[in-house]
Amino acid sequence: AQTVTQSQPEMSVQEAETVTLSCTYDTSESDYYLFWYKQPPSRQMILVIRQEAYKQQNATENRFSVNFQKAAKSFSLKISDSQLGDAAMYFCAYRSAMEYGNKLVFGAGTILRVKS
Amino acid sequence: DTAVSQTPKYLVTQMGNDKSIKCEQNLGHDTMYWYKQDSKKFLKIMFSYNNKELIINETVPNRFSPKSPDKAHLNLHINSLELGDSAVYFCASSQDALAGALIYFGPGTRLTVL
Repeated sequence: AQTVTQSQPEMSVQEAETVTLSCTYDTSESDYYLFWYKQPPSRQMILVIRQEAYKQQNATENRFSVNFQKAAKSFSLKISDSQLGDAAMYFCAYRSAMEYGNKLVFGAGTILRVKS
Repeated sequence: DTAVSQTPKYLVTQMGNDKSIKCEQNLGHDTMYWYKQDSKKFLKIMFSYNNKELIINETVPNRFSPKSPDKAHLNLHINSLELGDSAVYFCASSQDALAGALIYFGPGTRLTVL
């Protein structure tokens, strides 16, 4: 079974600075998808960024980018120019491309605090 | 228009009661899900339906019974509620059950069992 580990329960960043959230995963599969979701206090789950394992290029979405290291099974999220609205819980998630059913396996989450 | 909606948003009830949470999506998706987020914020899939058929059932107690009357609806019925059922329950949907389909989450239902 696949597992996702987020080793940082909490992180803090100063407004306008850059922060990196860590995520590692364990799988024996070669084809899969990785995601970062944001959950603000409103508790709505918001997709931040998606990475397909067969693509070597790291995904980027505006101020959000990932560092995907397939051999190391690492998938970190970098937030540049942090804003107060980035404060939330961030979840890393894995989805197999081999299994039918489209199941997301989540990490435990990282609380991100943004200081003004 | 809300893409994935859930009712109610908050549910407070006594142990032993039976309750239902309703979910509707207006995206025309074929696949719907229920996820549970426990008190430690850990998220885990419970069920998945594709075209009204159950395709994922993740070792959930029999007290939990999903029902999909049509592709746009997936309701969750819980019998004999226990304290440990207190959690946030998220409904979600995707175009299909294939790995490339993006998953859209509802706003969640916070269930508190007293």
